[in-house]
Parts: sequence; structure tokens; C-alpha cells
Amino acid sequence: GAVVSQHPSWVICKSGTSVKIECRSLDFQATTMFWYRQFPKQSLMLMATSNEGSKATYEQGVEKDKFLINHASLTLSTLTVTSAHPEDSSFYICSARHQRRTNEKLFFGSGTQLSVL
Amino acid sequence: SQQGEEDPQALSIQEGENATMNCSYKTSINNLQWYRQNSGRGLVHLILIRSNEREKHSGRLRVTLDTSKKSSSLLITASRAADTASYFCATSQAGTALIFGKGTTLSVSS
Repeated sequence: GAVVSQHPSWVICKSGTSVKIECRSLDFQATTMFWYRQFPKQSLMLMATSNEGSKATYEQGVEKDKFLINHASLTLSTLTVTSAHPEDSSFYICSARHQRRTNEKLFFGSGTQLSVL
Repeated sequence: SQQGEEDPQALSIQEGENATMNCSYKTSINNLQWYRQNSGRGLVHLILIRSNEREKHSGRLRVTLDTSKKSSSLLITASRAADTASYFCATSQAGTALIFGKGTTLSVSS
């Protein structure tokens, strides 16, 4: 089956630092990856769509300069939270669309819990 | 943006009872999916139903889809304590991201 690996699983950082989260499709190629954010007791909110080799498309209200997304290869997308602040503390989860199975389910990483002190 | 709205927001039942959750959405869809999430953890894909399907079964799960009413339901039969989790419906159009509903928190007590 298709596996998406997300790393790290959790991270604690100081306010003002940057944090990078990686999302890898292990056994398939993903031209498109999606990044979601989930606050406690809430649903998943789409942050951005990441297409390999092009700029990410951000949802309304998501600061592209704060949440840097890079999708340099067909198997890796990264989300960097720059100058993190306590309000950025959240659960971040990525998902990938299989290159050849575009009408089927997305494959999700296990998520990253970010805590900013 | 969120498209789906789950109903109820929270549901508490006893083991052995059935649990029904409903989801409504606003625009046309390619498919609708149901996911489970245990507290603070990743998502588990439960079932995908396509827009041209009306009902689908998987083990103790039964999903229906009514595109005329833009609604879906998830039925879990003979619930177990291990079914305690949050359940989300998610919709997508062709080639787009999944948009999640607000979710239903299910508590199954033994």
C-alpha cells in the first residue's frame, strides 16, 4: 500500500525559531501534496496545495511568507513554519495524491504536533 | 474552507449499540470519504463512496450517499469501546484537495 512518512512526529521550539516538517511518499510518486492544520478539538483545515516543481497555492488567510512550502521532488514536500509563535502551536498533517490514482483517496502522514513556547 | 457539516457534534452510546453520523455538504463532489481520528493522532481512512454510488459497506460500517440532498451517513453497527474516536467526512472534486467537515466525537462506553 501507499505510505506517507511525516517527520518529526512532534516538536517543541522557542518562539521566534523556524521549524521544518517533512512529508515523504515512500513507495509512490506524488505530484500533489496537501498541508492541513488542526487546532485542538477542531477539524482539519486545508492550508495549501503543493505541486511538484511549482509554487504552492495557499488558502485564504494562510500567510505564504510564514508557512513556506517546498515540493522539490515527486516524493518530498516540506513545510517550514518561520518565526514560530505560540499561536502557531497546532497539529500539522500532510497528504499526498498518488500520481496515477488521482481519483482515489489521499494518503496521509501521521502528523506533527508543534508546540511553540 | 470547510464544506462538510457533521451531525451530531458529539454522540455517546453503549457498547453493542449502533452509531449513526450524518454529513452534509454544499457543492458537487467527485467522492465523499469518511475518516477516523483517535485523540491527537493521525487519520485512518474508513471508506470512500463515489458520487455515482448510493451505498457502500465495509465490515461493521455502512455509508450512504444522497447527492440530491448533498448528504451522507455513516453507520457503525455493534459498536465497541475501541470505536471511540472523532469521525470526519471529507469531500473532493476531481483533482482537488479533501475538504473536511467539523467532525463527530463518538464515545462508546462499556
